[in-house]
Amino acid sequence: GVTQSPTHLIKTRGQQVTLRCSSQSGHNTVSWYQQALGQGPQFIFQYYRKEENGRGNFPPRFSGLQFPNDSSELNVNALELDDSALYLCASSFDGETQYFGPGTRLLVL
Amino acid sequence: GNSVTQMEGPVTLSEEAFLTINCTYTATGYPSLFWYVQYPGEGLQLLLKATKADDKGSNKGFEATYRKETTSFHLEKGSVQVSDSAVYFCALSDPNGSGNTGKLIFGQGTTLQVKP
Repeated sequence: GVTQSPTHLIKTRGQQVTLRCSSQSGHNTVSWYQQALGQGPQFIFQYYRKEENGRGNFPPRFSGLQFPNDSSELNVNALELDDSALYLCASSFDGETQYFGPGTRLLVL
Repeated sequence: GNSVTQMEGPVTLSEEAFLTINCTYTATGYPSLFWYVQYPGEGLQLLLKATKADDKGSNKGFEATYRKETTSFHLEKGSVQVSDSAVYFCALSDPNGSGNTGKLIFGQGTTLQVKP
């Protein structure tokens, strides 16, 4: 399945963070979502063949990378208090049906 | 824009009761529709999907039918168990003009509590 690391993270405002994801075997696209407490996930962006292939309403300080083995990183610069959330990675073989990892819970103080 | 609306929760039921969680959507084109389930402290698990009108998705006793005429995708289960207690999310795929971006639009989630 999809794995993510770390499981929990605490940062302070203004810092930078990198979250990691390993896609399910055979999946060639990866998407990232932000889920605030008590809300549905919000789409950040998707990567396909190492290129960004769609982006939600998130500022440029949210960026990503996809590696040749289809693993991925989400980087967030200049952290703000509102960035505190559960970050979910999802991989897909057809570009549409998303299979989610367990998430990384980020707390920004 | 495209959107998903779910019934407010929490929904509290006794074990073996019938479950319905309402989901309606607004979309241009013909999106695929999904139900995901999230257990406490975990990520989302795909429960079922339907890709075109009148399709019925089913899994683990849960069912939902893609109703284009009423723009609905209600989740049903004939007999719930305590282990079904979780948050349920309805979602639709949101393709752009040049193909699928993999973007899912989620509802706000409905919490289900099943009591023994």
